[in-house]
Amino acid sequence: DTEVTQTPKHLVMGMTNKKSLKCEQHMGHRAMYWYKQKAKKPPELMFVYSYEKLSINESVPSRFSPECPNSSLLNLHLHALQPEDSALYLCASSQDWTGRREYFGPGTRLTVT
Amino acid sequence: GESVGLHLPTLSVQEGDNSIINCAYSNSASDYFIWYKQESGKGPQFIIDIRSNMDKRQGQRVTVLLNKTVKHLSLQIAATQPGDSAVYFCAENSNTGNQFYFGTGTSLTVIP
Repeated sequence: DTEVTQTPKHLVMGMTNKKSLKCEQHMGHRAMYWYKQKAKKPPELMFVYSYEKLSINESVPSRFSPECPNSSLLNLHLHALQPEDSALYLCASSQDWTGRREYFGPGTRLTVT
Repeated sequence: GESVGLHLPTLSVQEGDNSIINCAYSNSASDYFIWYKQESGKGPQFIIDIRSNMDKRQGQRVTVLLNKTVKHLSLQIAATQPGDSAVYFCAENSNTGNQFYFGTGTSLTVIP
């Protein structure tokens, strides 16, 4: 199984809502990543988890809160988002955090109204 | 900081022709490079990778060339097909770093 899955595929939320994005992989990878991608732009790294511990937080606002419950799962909790947070949120995983080949999920298309 | 850039933001080719997508990088410590293909509404899909101890690597219809002297990477697609239409990103990583840096992307359009 060389797949990274993400749910939901689409999410529309108001600025006062709380929602979560989920990511799962069963490749035994020990590094997992959250990226944000705006239209016609490259992915921007948000967070890196290595061995279930947060190793990189790229100065992401606290309204985004990552969580890694175990080595296969990665969540991104959303609260009090702004319309400019609307984007494609991509999850990726790699064998370890030395950044070798990353496998990407299909993304969650988030719209904040 | 590191920067990975592409020379051309858009590229249009006739079906059956060969495509060349270029990428420049600035971190001389980069030792691993990946090309990704991203179709509309989907996540980036791995195409091919190359390590810095190689100059060339071939896959199925794709070839990646690495010129470390001028810090340049290219992706060649042979006999381009309509299904190749997508945005292509290069990404680079060094073994002292823990993240990939992505280029700005090139949008490839294949004209039937």
